[in-house]
Amino acid sequence: EAQVTQNPRYLITVTGKKLTVTCSQNMNHEYMSWYRQDPGLGLRQIYYSMNVEVTDKGDVPEGYKVSRKEKRNFPLILESPSPNQTSLYFCASSKSGIHSYTFGSGTRLTVV
Amino acid sequence: EDKVVQSPLSLVVHEGDTVTLNCSYEVTNFRSLLWYKQEKKAPTFLFMLTSSGIEKKSGRLSSILDKKELFSILNITATQTGDSAIYLCAVQGAGNTPLVFGKGTRLSVIA
Repeated sequence: EAQVTQNPRYLITVTGKKLTVTCSQNMNHEYMSWYRQDPGLGLRQIYYSMNVEVTDKGDVPEGYKVSRKEKRNFPLILESPSPNQTSLYFCASSKSGIHSYTFGSGTRLTVV
Repeated sequence: EDKVVQSPLSLVVHEGDTVTLNCSYEVTNFRSLLWYKQEKKAPTFLFMLTSSGIEKKSGRLSSILDKKELFSILNITATQTGDSAIYLCAVQGAGNTPLVFGKGTRLSVIA
């Protein structure tokens, strides 16, 4: 089944403890992206990648890192999480940047 | 800066009603407008619109784009409780610029 898989689905962590949220797609999509969704603010893009080894900042990249070493994986790294990064995170992929996105099931992160 | 504004923010209707959701946008070098439905988890794709005046239809849902007035509407006829969700509108500009999302319209359909 064609899908975008995120892990974990839920995560509660403490301030400053590095964490990684993984994202993997099995559709051979070139384009991958991370969004965060917050009440009243909608979906905001964190980072995106148009292909392997190519990443770009989205609207809210501060406090996040990404890497795209291989086409299928696009992990989101929080080096030193803070409470304002408590949010619902979605990974998405697309055949190219101009096609519709397929979203992962989301990761609900709480930083205390 | 690219911008998408959806209205209303929230809507409650009875089963069987018809609803119209609005999306207006400002984007540099418009390429496409997309509608997504988000229930409890991931947004799922509904429509992609690129040309003015051509209605896209899927069952009770339909959508149309007006590139002159810079808006789109999503219509849902004979609503059902299963239509309850957040409906997201997004636009894409030229090149591989990322999708810009609106804040969504929360639709609640009550029996």
